Amino acid sequence: AQSVSQHNHHVILSEAASLELGCNYSYGGTVNLFWYVQYPGQHLQLLLKYFSGDPLVKGIKGFEAEFIKSKFSFNLRKPSVQWSDTAEYFCAVNARDSSYKLIFGSGTRLLVRP
Amino acid sequence: DTAVSQTPKYLVTQMGNDKSIKCEQNLGHDTMYWYKQDSKKFLKIMFSYNNKELIINETVPNRFSPKSPDKAHLNLHINSLELGDSAVYFCASSQGTEGGRDFGAGTRLSVL
Repeated sequence: AQSVSQHNHHVILSEAASLELGCNYSYGGTVNLFWYVQYPGQHLQLLLKYFSGDPLVKGIKGFEAEFIKSKFSFNLRKPSVQWSDTAEYFCAVNARDSSYKLIFGSGTRLLVRP
Repeated sequence: DTAVSQTPKYLVTQMGNDKSIKCEQNLGHDTMYWYKQDSKKFLKIMFSYNNKELIINETVPNRFSPKSPDKAHLNLHINSLELGDSAVYFCASSQGTEGGRDFGAGTRLSVL
């Protein structure tokens, strides 16, 4: 079945540590890929997106993600996290195979300890 | 100015009641959505309207009825509320369907 998988459900890091959150999808054909962040009690905000071109995309707040087509992956990275990055992170895929419904992964809860 | 605004922000009600959530976007987008986020934070599409026409209707109970009076508004009416309807409901909008979505702040519905 078509799906979006986020393997890390909970991640705990200390400030200044590096972050990598995994995202894999199972759709064929053209995909548009997104990472959203949801701070506690708030709505989803777009961190970054990939449609085409350079597979390494940079987003807001120092985040970046790399699209590796052969691995069906779109992992999110940040070289040095801050306490304010504590939030839930969602990977999402929009694909013609899914009628462009924007399917979300189950989310990764990140806790950054000061 | 809030781009996607939904009201109310909180809704507490008894089982069996009927309630509505309103959503408006001022981005000029042609497509609007309702998503449900359950207690485990899982987000699932419920409905999508493009220029007031229903284009996505997931397996949602008939008790849920979206209404789009114009392309800037998408309201959600829920009849005979059940305990399992408790969740956060997010409205979203986009221009076309291939890109990302702009989300509203959410409506936290608690059914007692």
